[in-house]
Amino acid sequence: SQQGEEDPQALSIQEGENATMNCSYKTSINNLQWYRQNSGRGLVHLILIRSNEREKHSGRLRVTLDTSKKSSSLLITASRAADTASYFCATSEGGSEKLVFGKGTKLTVNP
Amino acid sequence: DAGVIQSPRHEVTEMGQEVTLRCKLISGHNSLFWYRQTMMRGLELLIYFNNNVPIDDSGMPEDRFSAKMPNASFSTLKIQPSEPRDSAVYFCASSSRMTGGQSSYGYTFGSGTRLTVV
Repeated sequence: SQQGEEDPQALSIQEGENATMNCSYKTSINNLQWYRQNSGRGLVHLILIRSNEREKHSGRLRVTLDTSKKSSSLLITASRAADTASYFCATSEGGSEKLVFGKGTKLTVNP
Repeated sequence: DAGVIQSPRHEVTEMGQEVTLRCKLISGHNSLFWYRQTMMRGLELLIYFNNNVPIDDSGMPEDRFSAKMPNASFSTLKIQPSEPRDSAVYFCASSSRMTGGQSSYGYTFGSGTRLTVV
């Protein structure tokens, strides 16, 4: 069953612009993670934010978490054509390390 | 470290045949996850192991699916007999489990096995 739901389903922007993707989830979580998947490849872990954190940065990535709204956002600044991929949020809940993934946002960055 | 290694990369088989997918974990990781990805259903967790022990197999669709972890670095997912609706990309992923059950470092995924059952 899907826990996280990404929005939008697809996003197309120009190189240099910022890309924002959102994720909503339903239950209490331990942490929320974002992954990238290039076409035909496996998922790559980008960033993990714990339930007691509100914001985290990694290079051009900025993730926010609002547990009161059960939502998270992933911001990619100064996007590049190489950022073209699908982006997934995933959550773990309770004492489990099991991750439940959303269906993803397909990002296209046009050169 | 070569990462999580899956084989084969592609598998085309006829309905009714047995299919075995293989996964080698990253050295030092003690949790192993099998996922299936389709356009319709997205990424579904089939089963996961911790220290070679199956913890949650509630996602295994039917008795036709079975998974084993004979040692700390290797796992197989078997489908017998296979059906066209099993066509999907199958991923395994590994992680290092911290005390309390949470993984702080995310999963490392393999490149997947694209299974086509005709």
